[in-house]
Amino acid sequence: EAQVTQNPRYLITVTGKKLTVTCSQNMNHEYMSWYRQDPGLGLRQIYYSMNVEVTDKGDVPEGYKVSRKEKRNFPLILESPSPNQTSLYFCASANSNVDTQYFGPGTRLTVL
Amino acid sequence: GEDVEQSLFLSVREGDSSVINCTYTDSSSTYLYWYKQEPGAGLQLLTYIFSNMDMKQDQRLTVLLNKKDKHLSLRIADTQTGDSAIYFCAESKGGGKLIFGQGTELSVKP
Repeated sequence: EAQVTQNPRYLITVTGKKLTVTCSQNMNHEYMSWYRQDPGLGLRQIYYSMNVEVTDKGDVPEGYKVSRKEKRNFPLILESPSPNQTSLYFCASANSNVDTQYFGPGTRLTVL
Repeated sequence: GEDVEQSLFLSVREGDSSVINCTYTDSSSTYLYWYKQEPGAGLQLLTYIFSNMDMKQDQRLTVLLNKKDKHLSLRIADTQTGDSAIYFCAESKGGGKLIFGQGTELSVKP
C-alpha cells in the first residue's frame, strides 16, 4: 500500500531534550516536505527536499533541522525543543514539486 | 505577501450545497489545491486546478477559479454528514513550496 508513515504519532517531551520525528515513504517520490499545523494558522512549511542531499528552508525553519540521506526517509530533528514548537507535524511526499502531495498521519508533539 | 485567506467556519444542512471560498495573492501560482482533513487524520487531496482553467468538475465537487480577483471556490453538491471536515486551499509557488490557507471547518447538520 502506497503510504507516508511518521513516528512517533504522539510525543510529550521537555524543553531542551533533542528529538527526531521520522518520516518514510514507499512511493519512490523525489519530493518530501515537513509542515506544522497550528490552530488558526493552517499548515506552514518547515523544510522541503527535492531529492537526496537537497534540502531547502520553508516558511518556518527556525529551531528545526532535516536530512535526506536516502530517497525514502526525511527525518525532522529538533536539537533543543521549546514550548513554542508544540504543534501537529505532517510529513508529505510527491513525485515532483507540482504533483499531488501525499500526507502522513501526523505527529502531535508537546514540549513542556 | 504570500497569504492565502479562508473563512474559518461554515455550517450547512444535509442535502444543501456548500461553497467554501479562498483568496490568494500570487498570480504566478501554477496549481491551486483543495485538501480535506478529517478529525485526527492527515490531509487528503480532494481536487486541484491548473491556473489556466476557470472551472473543474469532479462528481459532487466543482472548483471555480477567478484569476482576475485571485479567488478560488469549492462547491460540494448534496452535502452529506460525512463531508464534515476542515477544508484547506493551497497554492503552489513552484520549487516545492506550498502555501496553505487557515482552513475552513465545515459542519453538516442532519
